[in-house]
Amino acid sequence: GAGVSQSPSNKVTEKGKDVELRCDPISGHTALYWYRQSLGQGLEFLIYFQGNSAPDKSGLPSDRFSAERTGGSVSTLTIQRTQQEDSAVYLCASSLALLAGGDEQYFGPGTRLTVT
Amino acid sequence: SQKIEQNSEALNIQEGKTATLTCNYTNYSPAYLQWYRQDPGRGPVFLLLIRENEKEKRKERLKVTFDTTLKQSLFHITASQPADSATYLCALTGGGNKLTFGTGTQLKVEL
Repeated sequence: GAGVSQSPSNKVTEKGKDVELRCDPISGHTALYWYRQSLGQGLEFLIYFQGNSAPDKSGLPSDRFSAERTGGSVSTLTIQRTQQEDSAVYLCASSLALLAGGDEQYFGPGTRLTVT
Repeated sequence: SQKIEQNSEALNIQEGKTATLTCNYTNYSPAYLQWYRQDPGRGPVFLLLIRENEKEKRKERLKVTFDTTLKQSLFHITASQPADSATYLCALTGGGNKLTFGTGTQLKVEL
């Protein structure tokens, strides 16, 4: 497809379980970003990939959160031992990474995670 | 500390009027500032980017100003329509590719 896709669109999990969220960026976009948006809140930066490496992981809230990107394309965000405070919409974006801070970011529709 | 502030109160205006949204920031020296639109249940959509050496940028009914002295950007929608109702987010970088977003201002355009 032409846009950023994310799966699943909705995920309900029990506290303590691990979850994996997937992002498929726009083809050719070398930069990939993960954000989290809690109800009524702004976007919280989690991690940024340039190619397969993650030069900025500063937003990951704890060591329960990890992300990887393979083949310079698909990325997976993994949350281990989920907690109720992890409930949020997880958004992925990609960009061409031509201008540091000046890139237009293209967002996916998000994965709504609910931890019960 | 670095902060980006947008009006948390919703802005209600009448159709046809100009909507003006404000983004103030502290402890940033951004080379670029971006504006995005977000509809409920969807990811943000890029609208406009303005560079630090540009005072104003226009795109159709949209206009953005960027005052690096005041550390403020204004986002204007002229001849507003109900379809313009959404949350508008400003975003900037403190360095590198990481964008920091404001919490957004909800705009409601009424008939």
